[in-house]
Amino acid sequence: DADVTQTPRNRITKTGKRIMLECSQTKGHDRMYWYRQDPGLGLRLIYYSFDVKDINKGEISDGYSVSRQAQAKFSLSLESAIPNQTALYFCATSGTSGRYNEQFFGPGTRLTVL
Amino acid sequence: GESVGLHLPTLSVQEGDNSIINCAYSNSASDYFIWYKQESGKGPQFIIDIRSNMDKRQGQRVTVLLNKTVKHLSLQIAATQPGDSAVYFCAENGDSNYQLIWGAGTKLIIKP
Repeated sequence: DADVTQTPRNRITKTGKRIMLECSQTKGHDRMYWYRQDPGLGLRLIYYSFDVKDINKGEISDGYSVSRQAQAKFSLSLESAIPNQTALYFCATSGTSGRYNEQFFGPGTRLTVL
Repeated sequence: GESVGLHLPTLSVQEGDNSIINCAYSNSASDYFIWYKQESGKGPQFIIDIRSNMDKRQGQRVTVLLNKTVKHLSLQIAATQPGDSAVYFCAENGDSNYQLIWGAGTKLIIKP
């Protein structure tokens, strides 16, 4: 079974709709991240969380919100989706020992906002 | 501002040849660098990392070189195989010990 899972894998929605993307991990990591990937722009950090009581904005948090329901779960919400939020979204986790910056990624969610 | 970028968006290499993917970084405070591989339809996967107290690090068929003088990082893949086809990202830690700053990626194409 995958260590980091994301649901849904694909989603098409309309402008103005509320969307939630979910991420679960079995790695036992405290740190979780949400990224957005657009062609030619690499990965950009939306939000990150060090534990269930710690939520931080990343580079591009406007228009997004997150919830850390448990150590293993971190969800990303688009309160009112707009077309320029069409992108590939990745959840990632990292630990606090060893290669502390190494991040483990889920398979991604492809979101299309019409 | 901080940036990590790759010199070439696409690299075509003959199967069996060595591949060299380059990366420039701008944050002098970065002391940790990672290379990731992203295959089509998948999330990025760790390949190799290097700390700033090293110039070179080798893995299985991969070598990362770090030149701090010119803020340059490269990934060398020996005897490139079809399975190496992917987008390769470099990332640096900047001023952080938990965040990564990502480059735009280089797509590696393997010619038969």
